[in-house]
Amino acid sequence: NAGVTQTPKFQVLKTGQSMTLQCAQDMNHEYMSWYRQDPGMGLRLIHYSVGAGITDQGEVPNGYNVSRSTTEDFPLRLLSAAPSQTSVYFCASSYSGKVETQYFGPGTRLLVL
Amino acid sequence: SQQGEEDPQALSIQEGENATMNCSYKTSINNLQWYRQNSGRGLVHLILIRSNEREKHSGRLRVTLDTSKKSSSLLITASRAADTASYFCATASNSGGSNYKLTFGKGTLLTVNP
Repeated sequence: NAGVTQTPKFQVLKTGQSMTLQCAQDMNHEYMSWYRQDPGMGLRLIHYSVGAGITDQGEVPNGYNVSRSTTEDFPLRLLSAAPSQTSVYFCASSYSGKVETQYFGPGTRLLVL
Repeated sequence: SQQGEEDPQALSIQEGENATMNCSYKTSINNLQWYRQNSGRGLVHLILIRSNEREKHSGRLRVTLDTSKKSSSLLITASRAADTASYFCATASNSGGSNYKLTFGKGTLLTVNP
């Protein structure tokens, strides 16, 4: 199994551009989530999904959209990038909707100029 | 807002010593988890303790949970230089709703000196 994969590994955007961060898992996990990690802030939950077709907001959802059309994929869309969205983004998945052990992807480093 | 808060923020010890990190949280939880992150890498799950458990062991790791004090501790025994990393606690709760979320603290940076 590849586990949780994320693409791209690194991206530079200009303010106002849009892009999609890809996340996929091959473990048939119900629960998937997106976090951002900023220095000194730990990880903050952006959006999460408890199954295909079901998504919900986390702690910092503004400026981001998600969809879950399949169990495997959970893309994160930045609608109009802002410098405040410069961060490292992690996708994670968990077998149970009660959020047991989470498996993390390697992360995407995003720089917004 | 951060649910879990780790203490201390940074810890520096010598190889062979034990390292203890603490985590406090605010609301009722389903479970509490500890993760490790090496610099520039993704997080790796270490151990999960459920709200009805008080202590759990895994190799050199020992986790305790005190739900009355809303706190947990992670003990790493006989530390090694390879244990140098950031350690995060995370709490799983549903805040009265039907969906669960995992909320992370800001982490403890552990440095183990050879």
